[in-house]
Amino acid sequence: GNSVTQMEGPVTLSEEAFLTINCTYTATGYPSLFWYVQYPGEGLQLLLKATKADDKGSNKGFEATYRKETTSFHLEKGSVQVSDSAVYFCALEVPSGNTGKLIFGQGTTLQVKP
Amino acid sequence: DTEVTQTPKHLVMGMTNKKSLKCEQHMGHRAMYWYKQKAKKPPELMFVYSYEKLSINESVPSRFSPECPNSSLLNLHLHALQPEDSALYLCASSLTGFDEKLFFGSGTQLSVL
Repeated sequence: GNSVTQMEGPVTLSEEAFLTINCTYTATGYPSLFWYVQYPGEGLQLLLKATKADDKGSNKGFEATYRKETTSFHLEKGSVQVSDSAVYFCALEVPSGNTGKLIFGQGTTLQVKP
Repeated sequence: DTEVTQTPKHLVMGMTNKKSLKCEQHMGHRAMYWYKQKAKKPPELMFVYSYEKLSINESVPSRFSPECPNSSLLNLHLHALQPEDSALYLCASSLTGFDEKLFFGSGTQLSVL
């Protein structure tokens, strides 16, 4: 079946540290891949996406590359800020009827300390 | 306007009450979604409407009844809920429903007593 596995958190970093959050997936075909972020008390926001192998999504200093050979979509940022503290969800999209359906990983909580 | 607006933000209801959650967007999106999110868990898809027709029902109990009166509005009618239904209910929308950015509202925090 289709699934997403993320590294367990919480991940605690000091400001300006390098961030990696691992994400691997299992899917038939070549799904689109997404990273969403959820700040406390809010809904989810799309951070970045990639729709085919070797695509790199990027936004606000975050990057992730669609790796078909390792079925991975790891999130990276070179220098985190306190304001990046949030829960990060990796997701893949599978077709269902005439729409797509997002399947989310369990989420990884990031805490950045000053 | 790139917002999805949900009301109310908080709702407390008894197990015999009937209430409704409302969601509105004015981005011209034709796909709208209801998700349920328990604390420290990922969102779980409940329903998807595509062009105002129900496209996906993830085997949700009948005590949850969705309604899409027009392309801008999405309701979730609640009746005879259980305490385990307490959760954050998130509405989302997207342009057509494929390969696209989902825009999420801030959710309704529901408590069932």
